[in-house]
Amino acid sequence: DIQMTQSPSSVSASVGDTVTITCRASQGISRWLGWYQQKPGKAPKLLIYDASTLQSGVPSRFSGSEAGTEFTLTISSLQPEDFATYYCQQGDSYPLSFGGGTKVEIK
Amino acid sequence: EVNLVESGGDLIEPGGSLRLSCAASGFTFSAEWMHWVRQAPGKGLEWVSRIDTDGSGTSYADSVQGRFIISRDNAKNTLYLQMNSLRAEDTAVYFCARDRPGPQFYMDVWGKGTTVTVSS
Repeated sequence: DIQMTQSPSSVSASVGDTVTITCRASQGISRWLGWYQQKPGKAPKLLIYDASTLQSGVPSRFSGSEAGTEFTLTISSLQPEDFATYYCQQGDSYPLSFGGGTKVEIK
Repeated sequence: EVNLVESGGDLIEPGGSLRLSCAASGFTFSAEWMHWVRQAPGKGLEWVSRIDTDGSGTSYADSVQGRFIISRDNAKNTLYLQMNSLRAEDTAVYFCARDRPGPQFYMDVWGKGTTVTVSS
């Protein structure tokens, strides 16, 4: 099974900052990686799939990249509504797996 | 509007059984793979199971294999999760989600979730 390791587990940032979250796969998953945003008490929301493709309706300040088995989510010019928990998920093979999550908190 | 609504969550004793339902609307349910994902209190997301369009193909997480059964009724636009031999560690909010159309496996539409509590 593929393990997804996400870091950091939390980050404090201010409005306008750039935040970077990293996810590493235990084996090759090509570019089959998704990123989700979850706010407290709400369902997750798909932001990015295939490592760098923005889901419809997602603001362009969200971007994703890959380098081998390491994937990055970047949030540029952080907005108040971006404070949430972010998860990566490998979409390569079953069983699907998520990273442990990164909580983006207000500094 | 595309919508998923889960139901069936409850407080159940260890060893018991429960069936969750997920009613779909606003899209062609019979054409899409579907998933169940759960989230234990204060924890991260855990994928549980998936089913293909006609129910002939299913997959499960190791943690539920042999205890949970995913199924669907395309005539009723409804997804199910039969949960047997429940354990305390199955306590979670259970989300149903649509598989994003395409060759890989992501979840693009989610319900609000239903809560399952396993406790004596």
